[in-house]
Amino acid sequence: GAVVSQHPSWVICKSGTSVKIECRSLDFQATTMFWYRQFPKQSLMLMATSNEGSKATYEQGVEKDKFLINHASLTLSTLTVTSAHPEDSSFYICSALPDRDQPQHFGDGTRLSIL
Amino acid sequence: GDSVTQMEGPVTLSEEAFLTINCTYTATGYPSLFWYVQYPGEGLQLLLKATKADDKGSNKGFEATYRKETTSFHLEKGSVQVSDSAVYFCALTGYNFNKFYFGSGTKLNVKP
Repeated sequence: GAVVSQHPSWVICKSGTSVKIECRSLDFQATTMFWYRQFPKQSLMLMATSNEGSKATYEQGVEKDKFLINHASLTLSTLTVTSAHPEDSSFYICSALPDRDQPQHFGDGTRLSIL
Repeated sequence: GDSVTQMEGPVTLSEEAFLTINCTYTATGYPSLFWYVQYPGEGLQLLLKATKADDKGSNKGFEATYRKETTSFHLEKGSVQVSDSAVYFCALTGYNFNKFYFGSGTKLNVKP
């Protein structure tokens, strides 16, 4: 079945640094990928829709300059949290859309901790 | 707009008990409905889905029936196990499986 790999699974870094998270579709091409953020004991919040070869579409309230999304190929999307601060600490999950007849497949998530 | 409402948790059951987690939705058109499960520290796994009214999704002993008349998609399992302890999310999406709307999640604790 369709597999989505997310890397790293866990990252700890100092405040002010930038962190890049990768999302790869391993056995299918995905023209559309999604980035979610999950706060402790809460549901997933869609941050942005990433389209291969074009700019990402951000949900209302999500800072575009803070959360940079690049979908450079049909199998890779990256989320860069720029100048990260403790309030950016969260669980970030990506998903990919195999094709129009299948639901999204989710990665295992990245736990980001900013000290 | 589209939305999903599911019962608040946590739900605590003894092993072999019957499970019901309620989920209702609001949507325009004819959405597809899903249940996802999230184990501690992991991402989401698709548990089951139903794409049209009266469809029943089933997997690993879990079932849910797409009820258009009551706009519901309740999750059930006849006999839960300790390994079923996780957070369960109800979700819906439009015809092209694009934008997902998730419920708030229900944490299930199963005690031996």
